[in-house]
Amino acid sequence: SAVISQKPSRDICQRGTSLTIQCQVDSQVTMMFWYRQQPGQSLTLIATANQGSEATYESGFVIDKFPISRPNLTFSTLTVSNMSPEDSSIYLCSAGTGERLEAFFGQGTRLTVV
Amino acid sequence: AQSVTQPDIHITVSEGASLELRCNYSYGATPYLFWYVQSPGQGLQLLLKYFSGDTLVQGIKGFEAEFKRSQSSFNLRKPSVHWSDAAEYFCAVGALGGYQKVTFGTGTKLQVIP
Repeated sequence: SAVISQKPSRDICQRGTSLTIQCQVDSQVTMMFWYRQQPGQSLTLIATANQGSEATYESGFVIDKFPISRPNLTFSTLTVSNMSPEDSSIYLCSAGTGERLEAFFGQGTRLTVV
Repeated sequence: AQSVTQPDIHITVSEGASLELRCNYSYGATPYLFWYVQSPGQGLQLLLKYFSGDTLVQGIKGFEAEFKRSQSSFNLRKPSVHWSDAAEYFCAVGALGGYQKVTFGTGTKLQVIP
């Protein structure tokens, strides 16, 4: 199994600012993903972080708002840009490898925008 | 499009009692099914997964789940619940053959009473 570390674990940010969340995996993985979990809700996939190329975004999510980097097989960042209170959520990184893989999740970043 | 339904938002059981959490999925081909658990303030932990073979799957922490294709169900069970099992449980479905757009259910919050 892969161990995923996310930083920061939580933050309180002012509206209009940006926050970058880091995700580090302890082994090389094929796939890395970013999810959002709004208060009391399930997980929604934001995008797939592709190594060496632009991320693949799901419907309703755009690169300008959620720029993603993945410079290598063990690291990715998600930036939440120009934040508003509606962006208050838990953001989770997940990673996996192989065809029949299970996703391993980080502990999440609890973001509050005030 | 794939979807997952967890009909029970909250379930309360007594410690030592048996547990069954329901999950129904919709997917056109053979699904890849997961159960995750999320403790308060934590990330998601994989309990078990199914992609082929024996339809009764054993997981961690004494949990098991049974895949029933005819009922499009993947219910999670535990014969005797412990107080530490209190958490939120998510069922998820993905495409067999790759980790592609795993879709999560809305979750079932489990409360365990003495």
